[in-house]
Amino acid sequence: DTGVSQDPRHKITKRGQNVTFRCDPISEHNRLYWYRQTLGQGPEFLTYFQNEAQLEKSRLLSDRFSAERPKGSFSTLEIQRTEQGDSAMYLCASSPGTRDGAFFGQGTRLTVV
Amino acid sequence: QKEVEQNSGPLSVPEGAIASLNCTYSDRGSQSFFWYRQYSGKSPELIMSIYSNGDKEDGRFTAQLNKASQYVSLLIRDSQPSDSATYLCAVKPSNYQLIWGAGTKLIIKP
Repeated sequence: DTGVSQDPRHKITKRGQNVTFRCDPISEHNRLYWYRQTLGQGPEFLTYFQNEAQLEKSRLLSDRFSAERPKGSFSTLEIQRTEQGDSAMYLCASSPGTRDGAFFGQGTRLTVV
Repeated sequence: QKEVEQNSGPLSVPEGAIASLNCTYSDRGSQSFFWYRQYSGKSPELIMSIYSNGDKEDGRFTAQLNKASQYVSLLIRDSQPSDSATYLCAVKPSNYQLIWGAGTKLIIKP
């Protein structure tokens, strides 16, 4: 399977704990996005990488969220001191070029209890 | 504030009919336009891309773009129950970030 891969698929964590998600994009795609989606809403932009450079981060995102893409391949998204409001589907997507659409992974569903 | 607007629905269409989904956007500088299909509990799937005014056809799907009216639509011919899903419109302005609508829920009734 050469699509975008995310791990884990599901995560249940207690409030206040840290969580980390991984995304492996399509290999020839140098653009990588993280989104968050809640029920009935479109994807909410979190951050964007071109190769290893993080070019944009949503101003809506608190300092508890951080993302890396150290070698321009896979990426990680970490949420520190999780809150119940962080419960959502976290989506990773990759894209081959500026004009192109993004291709999504299966997502990681986070539940904070 | 760049915005993409869609009717949330649900839009109910009989099986075999044409489903018409609409989207308007606010940024006149937008360059690329996309339709995604999302089944409940799944991630969005890219089904159509359009970049120029006019129609683009792919199988049962036709995307229509009118930049002067800032309007993009998706037509689904011969609708099937498997087309029942939420359809998301996404627009890419001159920068690299996709701007998303909230989606239209489509129900195809057998």
